[in-house]
Amino acid sequence: ETGVTQSPTHLIKTRGQQVTLRCSSQSGHNTVSWYQQALGQGPQFIFQYYREEENGRGNFPPRFSGLQFPNYSSELNVNALELDDSALYLCASSLAEAGRAQYFGPGTRLLVL
Amino acid sequence: AQSVTQLDSQVPVFEEAPVELRCNYSSSVSVYLFWYVQYPNQGLQLLLKYLSGSTLVKGINGFEAEFNKSQTSFHLRKPSVHISDTAEYFCAVSRRGNKLVFGAGTILRVKS
Repeated sequence: ETGVTQSPTHLIKTRGQQVTLRCSSQSGHNTVSWYQQALGQGPQFIFQYYREEENGRGNFPPRFSGLQFPNYSSELNVNALELDDSALYLCASSLAEAGRAQYFGPGTRLLVL
Repeated sequence: AQSVTQLDSQVPVFEEAPVELRCNYSSSVSVYLFWYVQYPNQGLQLLLKYLSGSTLVKGINGFEAEFNKSQTSFHLRKPSVHISDTAEYFCAVSRRGNKLVFGAGTILRVKS
């Protein structure tokens, strides 16, 4: 059974640029959630995708967007990067039923200069 | 809306001593509760979860947690810690839709 994988592991961008982060869900999981973890803080929910549709969104601006593909993999896109976007971005996969545990990937560490 | 408070930002403890990491949550409806562990430069690993039923939940690596509805708490315990348990621990809650709301984390430092 393959766990959740994310790419790239690290990324450096400059302010104003755009970035795409990728996530492959655990085998059999149909739901993907994205979280932002700033240094020294707990993860914050960005959004969740189920059946290729956004299924809930946290308090993040529209320049944070995502996609889910038919194989349940997912992308997180961030436009017009700001310095405060520097963080660890975590992807988690799960089954759709309420209460199902989410399983996390290793994360992508983004540094915006 | 749900919220989670982890009462200790850091907990130092000697190896083989017991430890308790405290977590309180706020919600007007029933929630599901989770503990995750994060080792340096890694993602989050699920330790245990409470969905319903027995209030004492056993997880991996010898950890357990007790759900207390009246006190809205979900404290994590281990009777004897090892150096390898040094990590950051996150308590989280969710309702329908699986959105997780995390606490700020507790760093467990195990000393020899």
